[in-house]
Amino acid sequence: AQRVTQPEKLLSVFKGAPVELKCNYSYSGSPELFWYVQYSRQRLQLLLRHISRESIKGFTADLNKGETSFHLKKPFAQEEDSAMYYCALPPHNNNDMRFGAGTRLTVKP
Amino acid sequence: DGGITQSPKYLFRKEGQNVTLSCEQNLNHDAMYWYRQDPGQGLRLIYYSQIVNDFQKGDIAEGYSVSREKKESFPLTVTSAQKNPTAFYLCASSFLVMNTEAFFGQGTRLTVV
Repeated sequence: AQRVTQPEKLLSVFKGAPVELKCNYSYSGSPELFWYVQYSRQRLQLLLRHISRESIKGFTADLNKGETSFHLKKPFAQEEDSAMYYCALPPHNNNDMRFGAGTRLTVKP
Repeated sequence: DGGITQSPKYLFRKEGQNVTLSCEQNLNHDAMYWYRQDPGQGLRLIYYSQIVNDFQKGDIAEGYSVSREKKESFPLTVTSAQKNPTAFYLCASSFLVMNTEAFFGQGTRLTVV
């Protein structure tokens, strides 16, 4: 069964420190993974997707098929990065979207 | 203003009553989803629909019901059978193609009093 796991419910770092939000997946085939973000009082929105291989707001994520991971990284965290982050398997083969449990990132000044 | 709209934003219900949450989208999306968001548990799928007049149960469908009579609308009814209905409910929609982005509503916070 397809599954997404985010092992950390809470993550706290200081401004300017590197940050890594972990995501592991269970999926048969070649997965396409997304990261969604929910800022305070805003709706959940797409942050980045694996296939685009781009950096959004300084964040990057690399798909590691050997480790079945799709960790989200940023070298220098900013206070405005504080939010809830969800790793997700998008819809495929007539199946639904699957989300991890989410990680709440707090960037302290 | 295009997008996906949930209403109401806040909803209070007495125990034993059914209540219906609205979700409407004008994005011409085929697929629509309902999730429940609880602290520490992430997004759990309640129901999803890929086509009009058809829907599938998610992981926590017990105590909930849905309908999909129109492409634009996917209302969720929280019935009195739902043992712990107080939660934040999110509706989403997407095109029915592989690996597509989903768009979310702003959510409805339901409180049972």
